[in-house]
Amino acid sequence: QVHLQESGPGLVKPSQTLSLTCTVSGVSISGGNYYWAWVRQPAGKRLEWIGRIYAGGSITYNPSLKSRITISIDTSRSHFSLRLTSVTAADTAVYYCARDNWSTALDFWGQGIQVTVSS
Amino acid sequence: EIVLTQSPGTLSLSPGERATLSCRASQSVKSNYLAWYQQKPGQAPRLLIYGASSRATGIPDRFSGSGSGTDFTLTISRLEPEDFAVYYCQQYGSSLPNPFGGGTKVEIK
Repeated sequence: QVHLQESGPGLVKPSQTLSLTCTVSGVSISGGNYYWAWVRQPAGKRLEWIGRIYAGGSITYNPSLKSRITISIDTSRSHFSLRLTSVTAADTAVYYCARDNWSTALDFWGQGIQVTVSS
Repeated sequence: EIVLTQSPGTLSLSPGERATLSCRASQSVKSNYLAWYQQKPGQAPRLLIYGASSRATGIPDRFSGSGSGTDFTLTISRLEPEDFAVYYCQQYGSSLPNPFGGGTKVEIK
């Protein structure tokens, strides 16, 4: 069974960098026609697509966040990562990782991790 | 960038009733790559429908999706107690970014 698990600090200070990792099990992160995506959701608000990466090297970011985000992948460790720089309170949200199965949307999700930006 | 507008914001229904949720796109959705997700409090979203009308693995047949172009509908034929949740639509695929709608909350009347 495909399983994704987010990890990282739950509290980040303003202006610092948020770093999260998503560990994938039950499927090869470098096999198949899969992208690996990040989505976030501020409390009580809609889901926001952050970006996605393909093991073959293609990376796409949400233009609204593009100047601050980096998504990378480590196939040897079966995980992919998100870095978001210069965070503010507006970046406080639950962050999800998910498998983007190209033609069949986001079919597997991690449980989510709450990240709070506060001094 | 496509903007997805969901209506109504809240739907108050009783178990056994039919639910009809709408998702309207600001421009035509390429290849009908429109998905629906269900989200319960404290949980990650769960994929229900992809390609506008195909049910994801394990999704009961009381859930159905329809529509094309800019207008899409999610129908729950007979609400079960576990169906009361928030539902989101998403345009996915190669037309990036892949935005979500604002959600429709289906609550018990």
